[in-house]
Amino acid sequence: DSGVTQTPKHLITATGQRVTLRCSPRSGDLSVYWYQQSLDQGLQFLIQYYNGEERAKGNILERFSAQQFPDLHSELNLSSLELGDSALYFCASSAGQGGNEKLFFGSGTQLSVL
Amino acid sequence: GDSVTQMEGPVTLSEEAFLTINCTYTATGYPSLFWYVQYPGEGLQLLLKATKADDKGSNKGFEATYRKETTSFHLEKGSVQVSDSAVYFCALRDDKIIFGKGTRLHILP
Repeated sequence: DSGVTQTPKHLITATGQRVTLRCSPRSGDLSVYWYQQSLDQGLQFLIQYYNGEERAKGNILERFSAQQFPDLHSELNLSSLELGDSALYFCASSAGQGGNEKLFFGSGTQLSVL
Repeated sequence: GDSVTQMEGPVTLSEEAFLTINCTYTATGYPSLFWYVQYPGEGLQLLLKATKADDKGSNKGFEATYRKETTSFHLEKGSVQVSDSAVYFCALRDDKIIFGKGTRLHILP
């Protein structure tokens, strides 16, 4: 058990809808990262938050947004969903924001857009 | 921009065989390098890391050496087990973490 909790584990929805994925980091970790894992694109970095502030941005679509709350949990919002958004979405956390930080990953949320 | 390229899978080996999974990178700075492993139905776990040139990371019988001259970080294990069957991701971290696409490893008993 990594200590990172993601909910829900599975999500099935329709095109055009909006969903929210939730992540609770390990106790004491200040950074939260979001990744999308699809069969053709591999693991893609979406965005990182550190202590409530956006720290780094990757290949995140404009239809997607995220935030980190004062209690350090994070939510990833996906809107106007398309079939191609179906993927496994991982959250990870680390204690700080440095380059040698060890990341701890949650088990992921499997999103299926029908 | 920075990138990571790793060998395409799947890789299928018999138990006790020697394993190499190739990984090369491009980076403008001096990144740290990582190997992560994803077992079926689970999230990723850090397997090993190296933070500077010529460093060797090792864990659970796996090794990888940070080779700046060849921009490589190949993963090796001398004798694989069925329990090593998983997806392996090479990654680098400069200002953000970038992963390779992953290599699925099947070990046959």
